[in-house]
Amino acid sequence: DAMVIQNPRYQVTQFGKPVTLSCSQTLNHNVMYWYQQKSSQAPKLLFHYYDKDFNNEADTPDNFQSRRPNTSFCFLDIRSPGLGDAAMYLCATSRDHRGSGYEQFFGPGTRLTVL
Amino acid sequence: DAKTTQPTSMDCAEGRAANLPCNHSTISGNEYVYWYRQIHSQGPQYIIHGLKNNETNEMASLIITEDRKSSTLILPHATLRDTAVYYCIVRVGGSSNTGKLIFGQGTTLQVKP
Repeated sequence: DAMVIQNPRYQVTQFGKPVTLSCSQTLNHNVMYWYQQKSSQAPKLLFHYYDKDFNNEADTPDNFQSRRPNTSFCFLDIRSPGLGDAAMYLCATSRDHRGSGYEQFFGPGTRLTVL
Repeated sequence: DAKTTQPTSMDCAEGRAANLPCNHSTISGNEYVYWYRQIHSQGPQYIIHGLKNNETNEMASLIITEDRKSSTLILPHATLRDTAVYYCIVRVGGSSNTGKLIFGQGTTLQVKP
């Protein structure tokens, strides 16, 4: 089945130690998104790629970066994780985002713990 | 994008219809209403969306008022597996659509046996 895959499902890192989360998709969608969801809160968009074009949200900290080496893969890099970065990180894809009707397909998320 | 208001929580008996309301009084003409849900510890799942007309798919029905200031998501026969947080999101359509989903706090639906 076509899907959005996130690895690992659970990640533990130390304060200040760089960490990379990965997302892959078999849907061949143009757009890939990264959301952050802290405990008991709603998901919040960090950034997205439309093909190779990177679009950062204005309030996303510089500590968060992303790479998309090809259509299928997208990475979230946290350069120096702080305790406040502990959260569920959700990857999503959509075929396009221009116009309506392009729902987003979410992966299961990676739960990041910072010690 | 317009803001939405939803009740914090609702209960529904298994097998009965679940009607989840959403207010979006500042919605503009080119904004669509989307519904997603998030089952505990999973990623959000798309349910349905609409502009003006009522919509139905295999998961749910979406009823949008004539003035478009509110809508209702209907799960016709709720099951225990429908227990989740339901998000109503208003999103701009057309070429200016950036695809951004702004999630509010949503409604926690508890389906009870």
